[in-house]
Formats: sequence, structure tokens, C-alpha cells
Amino acid sequence: DGGITQSPKYLFRKEGQNVTLSCEQNLNHDAMYWYRQDPGQGLRLIYYSQIVNDFQKGDIAEGYSVSREKKESFPLTVTSAQKNPTAFYLCASSAIEGFSDEQYFGPGTRLTVT
Amino acid sequence: QKEVEQNSGPLSVPEGAIASLNCTYSDRGSQSFFWYRQYSGKSPELIMSIYSNGDKEDGRFTAQLNKASQYVSLLIRDSQPSDSATYLCAAHYGGATNKLIFGTGTLLAVQP
Repeated sequence: DGGITQSPKYLFRKEGQNVTLSCEQNLNHDAMYWYRQDPGQGLRLIYYSQIVNDFQKGDIAEGYSVSREKKESFPLTVTSAQKNPTAFYLCASSAIEGFSDEQYFGPGTRLTVT
Repeated sequence: QKEVEQNSGPLSVPEGAIASLNCTYSDRGSQSFFWYRQYSGKSPELIMSIYSNGDKEDGRFTAQLNKASQYVSLLIRDSQPSDSATYLCAAHYGGATNKLIFGTGTLLAVQP
């Protein structure tokens, strides 16, 4: 059963704590992405990776970090430096071949920081 | 600043009618366009992709692309209450990356 899994579904943390969100895919996709969605706003790109051991900052990378040690996994750490971390976090993946840049999303992690 | 613009809605249509959702994009280099459906509290689901000028049909959905006008649309025929959701338009960033730019979405409400 191919797809993208994110865990946990809901996450609650105290301000000042780092937290790591998990994203795993078994679609054999090369590229993976992290987005953030706030109410009434579109998806904003945090980080993306097109190959293992390489990743690039998106539009709002400050306060976040990622790693890509395996093709299947792209965890996101929300650090205490992120000023407004409460949001819906979405992981996506895509193949890289020609114009096949369709991105498929995981179910998301809703993070609440108080 | 590369942008994708959508009317936020809500767009209200009666059951059985055609819903028309529109999107404009600013980057002339964009080659690929996508429509996602997002139910409240859920993640986006890809429903259509379009790469060439003209129409592309898939069941009740038709995507339309006009690169000269930088305009993408999604038509939903025989709208059902289960189509009520936010529809996100996305455009490929252009260049060597696979980045997408997303619009803020249009909320569609299909009235029974």
C-alpha cells in the first residue's frame, strides 16, 4: 500500500522546546517537501530535497531544520527559534522525470505550541 | 514575486450545476499546473494536472489552460455536496527545481 505517512497526527508542545515531525514515503520518489499551512493561507514551502543528503531552503526556512539521510525519510525539526510554530505541517513527495512533478501529500501533522 | 491568484470564495452552486473555479499565475515560465482538493482539516489531494493549452477531462472534472492569458480553470460538472471543499491551484515554479507555487484556494459549497 504505497503512500506517505506523517506522525504524529496531533502534537502539543511547550514554547521553547524543539520538536521533530516524521515523514516517510514508499513511493520511491526522489523529491520530498515540507509545507506549512495557516488558516486562510496557502501552502508555504519550508524545505525541499531532490536527492539524499541534499536539501534547499524554501520560502520560510527560518526556525526549521531538516535532514535527508534516506530516500524514504525527510524529518522536519521545528526549533525554539521559530516564532510562530503553531500550524498544520504537510509533507509531500514527487518523482523527478520530465514534467512529472505531481506532488502527493501525506495526512499532515497539526502542531500546537503553547 | 511569483504568484498564483485565486478568488477565496465561497463559491456557492446548487447540486447538479457546473462549478467553475479560476486561477491566474504570474510566472510565464511555468509549464505545469495542478488542482488539489482539500477537505476541512485534511491534506490536499491531487485531482487534476495539465501541461498543454486546451482542455483536459477526467470524469466530472475538466481542467482548462490558456498560457497566453496565464489562466487555469477547473470545471466540475454535476456538482455534488461531496465536492464541497477548498480547491487549491498550483503552478510549477519553472527552472530546474520541482517547486510549486500554491494559491490560497477557493472554497466551494454545493447546496443540496
